[in-house]
Amino acid sequence: QKEVEQNSGPLSVPEGAIASLNCTYSDRGSQSFFWYRQYSGKSPELIMSIYSNGDKEDGRFTAQLNKASQYVSLLIRDSQPSDSATYLCAVNPSGTYKYIFGTGTRLKVLA
Amino acid sequence: DAGVIQSPRHEVTEMGQEVTLRCKPISGHDYLFWYRQTMMRGLELLIYFNNNVPIDDSGMPEDRFSAKMPNASFSTLKIQPSEPRDSAVYFCASMQENSYEQYFGPGTRLTVT
Repeated sequence: QKEVEQNSGPLSVPEGAIASLNCTYSDRGSQSFFWYRQYSGKSPELIMSIYSNGDKEDGRFTAQLNKASQYVSLLIRDSQPSDSATYLCAVNPSGTYKYIFGTGTRLKVLA
Repeated sequence: DAGVIQSPRHEVTEMGQEVTLRCKPISGHDYLFWYRQTMMRGLELLIYFNNNVPIDDSGMPEDRFSAKMPNASFSTLKIQPSEPRDSAVYFCASMQENSYEQYFGPGTRLTVT
């Protein structure tokens, strides 16, 4: 079983719709969770971090965390073509400062 | 404020040659991470340092890879000898202690022919 799992996609959504990206993890003791956006040929860019159960909103982005279900998600409201990228989920296992990355979900926002 | 700086941005070398990748972390950051990204394996952690000391090198693929951090503002990742399967994008990231947020450099695209 992979430590951090994401659907590779591509996930295609029309412009203006809500894009929902999901991630599950295996280490129940994990404490910190992150979403990175990576455009083709570029480096990962941190867009959201979440540490507590529930929702965290930042502009058009909402991260949701459910530690009991070992599940973290990212919602992108009013999706724009410029949101088309690969979204990487990263989990910080307990007791370390390192991340385990998922393989990423490719999002395509159709104009 | 400058972000993480990496050099070179692109490197093409022949099999058997030594390759050195360089990284300057964000000033004030205590942690430095080296990653490798390929289509097949995704983003893999190779090694990370805290206050210039290697903490976890379990991701270093083999003895051909070595990493150093002689001071708080500079780190190197060396491959000697290089092989075609080392072709990948290598990223450096840095983090401030207790923030848990890593910031990535632009990466070095390595091609070994």
